Amino acid sequence: SAVISQKPSRDICQRGTSLTIQCQVDSQVTMMFWYRQQPGQSLTLIATANQGSEATYESGFVIDKFPISRPNLTFSTLTVSNMSPEDSSIYLCSVVGWWGQETQYFGPGTRLLVL
Amino acid sequence: SQQGEEDPQALSIQEGENATMNCSYKTSINNLQWYRQNSGRGLVHLILIRSNEREKHSGRLRVTLDTSKKSSSLLITASRAADTASYFCATDGDDKIIFGKGTRLHILP
Repeated sequence: SAVISQKPSRDICQRGTSLTIQCQVDSQVTMMFWYRQQPGQSLTLIATANQGSEATYESGFVIDKFPISRPNLTFSTLTVSNMSPEDSSIYLCSVVGWWGQETQYFGPGTRLLVL
Repeated sequence: SQQGEEDPQALSIQEGENATMNCSYKTSINNLQWYRQNSGRGLVHLILIRSNEREKHSGRLRVTLDTSKKSSSLLITASRAADTASYFCATDGDDKIIFGKGTRLHILP
């Protein structure tokens, strides 16, 4: 398994601004993912963060709105750009490690409120 | 598109009773997993069952899988207040895990 931390844990932001969320893992992992969970909803995959290359985005998500970096095997960032109230959600980082691709471990999440 | 669909959407039971949640999915899978989420926090992996398995146990948890019906159930026995959470099933597909909408479980004292 892996221990995953996210910063910030929560934030309140003004519309039109941007927020960068960090995800740090205590060990090297093969894959890192970013999810969004809107209030009372399930998790929706935003993108797969690829080390050293551009992230792979799911349908409905674009790089200009959600730029992602993954400079190494233990760290990734997700930026929510030009925020609107509709971006208010919990953003979750998850990882798959060398233990296999079957089980994802999740960070504690970042709770974002956009006013 | 979402693969798993949990049923019921919400469930309230008395402490000590058993809680059963169901998950249905649409396409073939290699495995199915159950996760728990406490009050808007990160997800905790509970159990994984492979497509060639029919039943699996972990502590107070019992998971069944019926691939012919494309369904799974999660049974929590002797429920406790700490079991109050949302429970999600997740199926593998296209190299990523797809989550259902979840069942909100509330354990009454």
